[in-house]
Amino acid sequence: EAGVTQFPSHSVIEKGQTVTLRCDPISGHDNLYWYRRVMGKEIKFLLHFVKESKQDESGMPNNRFLAERTGGTYSTLKVQPAELEDSGVYFCASSQILNGGYTFGSGTRLTVV
Amino acid sequence: GIQVEQSPPDLILQEGANSTLRCNFSDSVNNLQWFHQNPWGQLINLFYIPSGTKQNGRLSATTVATERYSLLYISSSQTTDSGVYFCAVGIRGGSNYKLTFGKGTLLTVNP
Repeated sequence: EAGVTQFPSHSVIEKGQTVTLRCDPISGHDNLYWYRRVMGKEIKFLLHFVKESKQDESGMPNNRFLAERTGGTYSTLKVQPAELEDSGVYFCASSQILNGGYTFGSGTRLTVV
Repeated sequence: GIQVEQSPPDLILQEGANSTLRCNFSDSVNNLQWFHQNPWGQLINLFYIPSGTKQNGRLSATTVATERYSLLYISSSQTTDSGVYFCAVGIRGGSNYKLTFGKGTLLTVNP
């Protein structure tokens, strides 16, 4: 079974630009999550999709972040416009059942300069 | 919200040594996972262990849910074990579910 796939693996953009991160969950996993680790701090929850619906987006830092999950398959996370403090590693995870074990992707390292 | 504390924050070992990493959490949880973030940044799931003991090769984990802690044992450590080890607890609230991570233990295994 293919794992959770994220791309790009690394992105360097200038402040004010737009970046879109993509996550392909494990096939059949209805639950998809975004997390991020910034500035060497804890890994923090951003949001949770169940199929194509946003179940919980309480962790989204502000309205510069927009997540979508088209057709309940892959998900994108857009940052527009990017700020320096957005630099960090963005992880995507999926799970088959709600409180089952997560499988994480390899992450996207975002650097805003 | 729930607090997750990991100890020690840093650990340096010689290859072949054994170690124990600890995770304390402040409230009842539905799930607990241990992850290893390797030097390439990948988060690798080690154990899904809301309670009890599991073993996988040189690694084993024990969670005592009633006392709100979990332990990760690494035996005969190897340089490839280096990286950050995260404990994460899962809380379910209705149809919502999220993991809360500890700050991690940075493990360095020297040859």
